Amino acid sequence: DADVTQTPRNRITKTGKRIMLECSQTKGHDRMYWYRQDPGLGLRLIYYSFDVKDINKGEISDGYSVSRQAQAKFSLSLESAIPNQTALYFCATKDRADTDTQYFGPGTRLTVL
Amino acid sequence: AQSVTQLDSQVPVFEEAPVELRCNYSSSVSVYLFWYVQYPNQGLQLLLKYLSGSTLVKGINGFEAEFNKSQTSFHLRKPSVHISDTAEYFCAVSDHRGSTLGRLYFGRGTQLTVWP
Repeated sequence: DADVTQTPRNRITKTGKRIMLECSQTKGHDRMYWYRQDPGLGLRLIYYSFDVKDINKGEISDGYSVSRQAQAKFSLSLESAIPNQTALYFCATKDRADTDTQYFGPGTRLTVL
Repeated sequence: AQSVTQLDSQVPVFEEAPVELRCNYSSSVSVYLFWYVQYPNQGLQLLLKYLSGSTLVKGINGFEAEFNKSQTSFHLRKPSVHISDTAEYFCAVSDHRGSTLGRLYFGRGTQLTVWP
């Protein structure tokens, strides 16, 4: 079984709809991250969380919110989706004792029409 | 703040040829350096990392990278590529001081395509 899972894997939605992307991990890591990937732009950090009570904005947090429901779960929400949020979204985890190695989920491909 | 520049967005090569994917970074502090690989329709997988010590780092699948502090580069190399190496490769850097934060800064990626 995968250590970091994301649901859904693919989603098509309409402009203005609220959508939630979920991430779960069985690695026991305390730190979790959400990135988006756009062609030619690499990965950009949306939000990150050091533990359940510690959530921080990344470089492109506008239009997004997150919830860390438990150490193992980190959800990303788009309150009112817009077409330029069409992208591939990745969740990642990291153990605070590790030297910066992050472990990525398989990604969620989101299309906003 | 850190930034990463991957100098080539696409690198086409023939099978069994050598390849070099170039990465330069800018940072005012010591950094950790990484290469991640993304195979089609998959997430990112760590290929190798440089933390300290020997500047030549060996990774999985026969890849290696050399850290050059004076040139602020961390180029990825493989002496003989296979078709299965076709993927997108990302260079990333993290702030050494902020290593406990685990925040990574990624380059824009290099698409390596290996032709038969």
